[in-house]
Amino acid sequence: GNSVTQMEGPVTLSEEAFLTINCTYTATGYPSLFWYVQYPGEGLQLLLKATKADDKGSNKGFEATYRKETTSFHLEKGSVQVSDSAVYFCALSVMEYGNKLVFGAGTILRVKS
Amino acid sequence: DGGITQSPKYLFRKEGQNVTLSCEQNLNHDAMYWYRQDPGQGLRLIYYSQIVNDFQKGDIAEGYSVSREKKESFPLTVTSAQKNPTAFYLCASQRTSYGYTFGSGTRLTVV
Repeated sequence: GNSVTQMEGPVTLSEEAFLTINCTYTATGYPSLFWYVQYPGEGLQLLLKATKADDKGSNKGFEATYRKETTSFHLEKGSVQVSDSAVYFCALSVMEYGNKLVFGAGTILRVKS
Repeated sequence: DGGITQSPKYLFRKEGQNVTLSCEQNLNHDAMYWYRQDPGQGLRLIYYSQIVNDFQKGDIAEGYSVSREKKESFPLTVTSAQKNPTAFYLCASQRTSYGYTFGSGTRLTVV
């Protein structure tokens, strides 16, 4: 089946620290991969995406590379800010599954000043 | 600007009462989805619709109902059969093979 596994949180970092949130997936077919961010009390916003192997998605200083050989799509940022505190969701979609998104459980990020 | 609008932002339901959550999009997206999110939890799919006048159950459809009479609208009714409806409800729409656009959510509380 199709599933996404994210590292458990919360992840607590100091401002300007390096961030990695791990995401691995299993998929029937060739998935597209996504990272979404949810700020408190709000809906989810698309952060970045990648549609084929070795693609790198990037936005607002965040990056993730589609690694087919390790079935991974880890989220990274070189220097986090307090304003990055949010919940981050990794997700995949597969055409054979009607392109519905399959979400990971989410990882809470807390950044301290 | 195109987007997806959920209303109301906060909703209170009495025991045994049905309530309807609104979701409207002007993005001309074919597919629409309803998710439930409990505190500290991920997203669980309630219902989805990939075309007007057609919809399918998701993973936790019991106690919920939907309709899709127009492309722009996908209202969710939380019925009295849903025994634990207090949650944050998220609506999303999708253009084929792209990611979702989410609304800002409705927080439903049973009083």
